[in-house]
Amino acid sequence: ELKVEQNPLFLSMQEGKNYTIYCNYSTTSDRLYWYRQDPGKSLESLFVLLSNGAVKQEGRLMASLDTKARLSTLHITAAVHDLSATYFCAGGYGGSQGNLIFGKGTKLSVKP
Amino acid sequence: DAGITQSPRHKVTETGTPVTLRCHQTENHRYMYWYRQDPGHGLRLIHYSYGVKDTDKGEVSDGYSVSRSKTEDFLLTLESATSSQTSVYFCAISETGAPWALHFGNGTRLTVT
Repeated sequence: ELKVEQNPLFLSMQEGKNYTIYCNYSTTSDRLYWYRQDPGKSLESLFVLLSNGAVKQEGRLMASLDTKARLSTLHITAAVHDLSATYFCAGGYGGSQGNLIFGKGTKLSVKP
Repeated sequence: DAGITQSPRHKVTETGTPVTLRCHQTENHRYMYWYRQDPGHGLRLIHYSYGVKDTDKGEVSDGYSVSRSKTEDFLLTLESATSSQTSVYFCAISETGAPWALHFGNGTRLTVT
């Protein structure tokens, strides 16, 4: 059974600093996703990682996948207030592409 | 939001009453999903559909049923609502090929009193 754990669950950062969110998963998963959710809003797809060593970057966010370690990371570079949100990782399982197991989310607060 | 409309957006209902939530897509995607989001649990899959009249259970399907009579519509029914089903419900759709990203609707906030 696939289990996904994120840490930390809460993260308070200062603007301009760097930090990493970690996502560990328990069994083989052939795809790993990162989503962003603003309060009261829907989830926005950030990254889909499909293979070992995959690295994707968008602006100040960079995601990577190490399937051997069963670990994905979301690295934040020079944080800005607009990045404040909750970030979820999710691992895929089963025959349907949308069968995902989500982590509990990391609530990120970026302060001036 | 990728052509996904959920209705209603908010609903308050009493324990024991039936409730149906609707998800409508304009993307003609084959796969549709219902997730629920609760504090401390992230999102959990309730049911999904891989085509018209083709559905299957997710990890928290007890107390829920679904139907899909048309490609564009996926209905979630709580036959007899309970307080434990108070949650935010998200519908999602996905492409058939890579990268298989899920696109979510705006959610329905359901309160069962």
